[in-house]
Amino acid sequence: GAGVSQSPSNKVTEKGKDVELRCDPISGHTALYWYRQSLGQGLEFLIYFQGNSAPDKSGLPSDRFSAERTGGSVSTLTIQRTQQEDSAVYLCASSLDSILNTEAFFGQGTRLTVV
Amino acid sequence: AQKVTQAQTEISVVEKEDVTLDCVYETRDTTYYLFWYKQPPSGELVFLIRRNSFDEQNEISGRYSWNFQKSTSSFNFTITASQVVDSAVYFCALSEAPNSGYALNFGKGTSLLVTP
Repeated sequence: GAGVSQSPSNKVTEKGKDVELRCDPISGHTALYWYRQSLGQGLEFLIYFQGNSAPDKSGLPSDRFSAERTGGSVSTLTIQRTQQEDSAVYLCASSLDSILNTEAFFGQGTRLTVV
Repeated sequence: AQKVTQAQTEISVVEKEDVTLDCVYETRDTTYYLFWYKQPPSGELVFLIRRNSFDEQNEISGRYSWNFQKSTSSFNFTITASQVVDSAVYFCALSEAPNSGYALNFGKGTSLLVTP
């Protein structure tokens, strides 16, 4: 498709389980961003990739969170030993070239519920 | 510290009214970017406008207009003759850090409800 695609759209998991969230950016976009949207915290920046490198991981909330990007394309955000406070909508965005600060396009997000 | 402040949490207007959404930002950089995004009930963030710190010209796009004032660190958004389809959450965002790929620093959002 033409837009940023995220899967799954919804995920319900039990506390303590690991989850993987996937993001397919727009083809040719070198920059990829993960954000988290929750009621209490609003929209928080998590991590940024330029190609396959992540120069800035400062937004990851804890060491239970990790992310990787392969082939300069698909990215996965992994949350280990999920906790209830991880429940949120996880949004992915991509842009043509972050250095030039071009427009970022967002996916529809993955709604994660930890029960 | 919150770098982008959207003081209005919720606004309710009647269709055809004009409405202004306020945004105040904080930065020490001389080069930065400001954005507005719309998030309709479907959840996807929709880009509305990007403005760099060197361009203080106001912009108009149809019923939408933006007023950027560096002197007051504000980037306000006005919808003229509002319509029901304008109902959404609107986010103002600041981008200033090249190390994070100019990641967006969002305000808390303003929920706009336009009633018939």
